[in-house]
Order: sequence, then C-alpha cells, then structure tokens
Amino acid sequence: EADIYQTPRYLVIGTGKKITLECSQTMGHDKMYWYQQDPGMELHLIHYSYGVNSTEKGDLSSESTVSRIRTEHFPLTLESARPSHTSQYLCASSDFTVGYTFGSGTRLTVV
Amino acid sequence: AQSVTQLGSHVSVSEGALVLLRCNYSSSVPPYLFWYVQYPNQGLQLLLKYTTGATLVKGINGFEAEFKKSETSFHLTKPSAHMSDAAEYFCAVSAAGAGSYQLTFGKGTKLSVIP
Repeated sequence: EADIYQTPRYLVIGTGKKITLECSQTMGHDKMYWYQQDPGMELHLIHYSYGVNSTEKGDLSSESTVSRIRTEHFPLTLESARPSHTSQYLCASSDFTVGYTFGSGTRLTVV
Repeated sequence: AQSVTQLGSHVSVSEGALVLLRCNYSSSVPPYLFWYVQYPNQGLQLLLKYTTGATLVKGINGFEAEFKKSETSFHLTKPSAHMSDAAEYFCAVSAAGAGSYQLTFGKGTKLSVIP
C-alpha cells in the first residue's frame, strides 16, 4: 500500500547527541516536506525538496539539515540536539494534485 | 502569495449539534483549498479538497465545505457532531497552476465535542 513512513515515532535523547529522523514514501512523489509543530500549535515549514539532490530551507529557521539522495527518502538530521529542539516533526509528500500526504510524525524530546 | 485565517482557535459544540469551522483565504491567483484533521500524536489526514468544478465539496467522516469566491471563504461543516470528531482542524491554500506546490496552513482550530 502506498504510504509515507516516519521513524521513530517517539525519541528521547540527551543534549549534544546527533540524531536522524527518517522519512520514506512509496508513492513516487517528487516533492517532500518537513514541518515542525509544537503541541497544539501551528505547523512551521523547515525544509522541502522538489526532487533528488534538491533541498531548500523553509519559513522557519532550523538548525537541522536534510538530504535527498533517493526519491523515496528524505531524512532530517540534528548534529547536536538541544532542549529547544523538543517538538513534533512531521514529514509530508506531494504530487500537488491531491495535496499533501503526511506521516504519523516523530515526537522528539531532548533532555 | 497566499495566506489563511482560521477564525477561532477553539470551538466547542454539543454532540449532535452542527459543526462550523471557519476559514478565509487570500490568494492572488485561483486557489486550491484543503481541510486536514489531526488527532493527538498523529500526522495530518486530508478531509477534503477543492481544486476546480463543483464548489460544494464532500469529504470523509460526513464533513463538507463550500468554496465561496466572493467571500474568499472555505468553511467546513458537519450536520451532527460526534465525539470522535474532537481533533485539531487545519485549513490550507495553494495557488493553482504550475510552479507553486507549497501549501500554506492556517493556525488550526481545536474542536471539542461535549457529550
């Protein structure tokens, strides 16, 4: 079944650790996005990609980085996690005509 | 550029009552419009969308929305609220046509359903 997957669903890590949040989709979508969302709050676009080897920063400044080496894979990396990075991270993909398909999210807590 | 305004960050209705969540948009070109629902600790799920054609759009779970160009609105309604409708709802807009792929989201409306 075509879908978009995020792992892990929940992550608690210590300050200073390097982490990678995984996002994969099986729909063949060219466009992929990362949003940051604090509980009960609005979504903030932090990164997007329109295809392989294409990445751009979003509206909200973020210390994270992304890569797009394969169409289906769009991981997000934090080189040195801090408590201010505690949030929910949502990945989405799109072929535009049907809107975005979202993953279930990764809830990150940095202690 | 596009923008979305959702009126009311929190709406409470009684079970069985009409649900009305308001969304107004701003767009310099014909818009594509979307409503998403988010349950706690989940991603966003597409409820319905308007691209072209019929202005009254029906979605999942008994929701519908009507595109009113003259009012730049895309309000979400459901005739009878159910407890399972309690969630956060996001309205989003995108510019129709090639070259613009990003959705602009509103700040969300949290719907509470009172038994």
